[in-house]
Amino acid sequence: ELKVEQNPLFLSMQEGKNYTIYCNYSTTSDRLYWYRQDPGKSLESLFVLLSNGAVKQEGRLMASLDTKARLSTLHITAAVHDLSATYFCAVVPMDSNYQLIWGAGTKLIIKP
Amino acid sequence: NAGVTQTPKFQVLKTGQSMTLQCAQDMNHNSMYWYRQDPGMGLRLIYYSASEGTTDKGEVPNGYNVSRLNKREFSLRLESAAPSQTSVYFCASSDLGQGATGELFFGEGSRLTVL
Repeated sequence: ELKVEQNPLFLSMQEGKNYTIYCNYSTTSDRLYWYRQDPGKSLESLFVLLSNGAVKQEGRLMASLDTKARLSTLHITAAVHDLSATYFCAVVPMDSNYQLIWGAGTKLIIKP
Repeated sequence: NAGVTQTPKFQVLKTGQSMTLQCAQDMNHNSMYWYRQDPGMGLRLIYYSASEGTTDKGEVPNGYNVSRLNKREFSLRLESAAPSQTSVYFCASSDLGQGATGELFFGEGSRLTVL
């Protein structure tokens, strides 16, 4: 069964702290995406990771991909309240170009 | 920059009524998708269209039909709405061509309530 598991599913943290969200997947894939969703809003693309060892950074967020371990991480550095949102990862199985497999999402709350 | 446009944004239906959700993209993408998102949940694929003229079932197609009208437009139809179809529906498009990243671009969502 194709699975994408995010950990944790819920995270409450203080501003200024660092934390990592993990995305494990069960299928062979070399394409992984991270999206952000604010409450009541649509999904916004954050990162596209297209190869083993890929690392992307945008502000206080950094994403990486290890295709051998089937693991991606989203690291938050010195969190600020504006980063409060739900974060989803999604992978494209190697035998399918069209059907992304989505994680359940990590709801992140950052307290001032 | 319109991107992906969905209509309507909100709709309330009675059980058994029918309706069509419209989606259009102006990014010249080949692939389009319809997802549903239930409260506190992730996304589930209803139908997708890899290219103009083709459609395929996703994870939860029952109770829905789709039409890829042309390259820009992909509509989702509920023939006889049921309360279980109360959800937020997202249309998305992507470019899967050579050298493209394949990332999805989403519309703003259509919030459907079936009474």
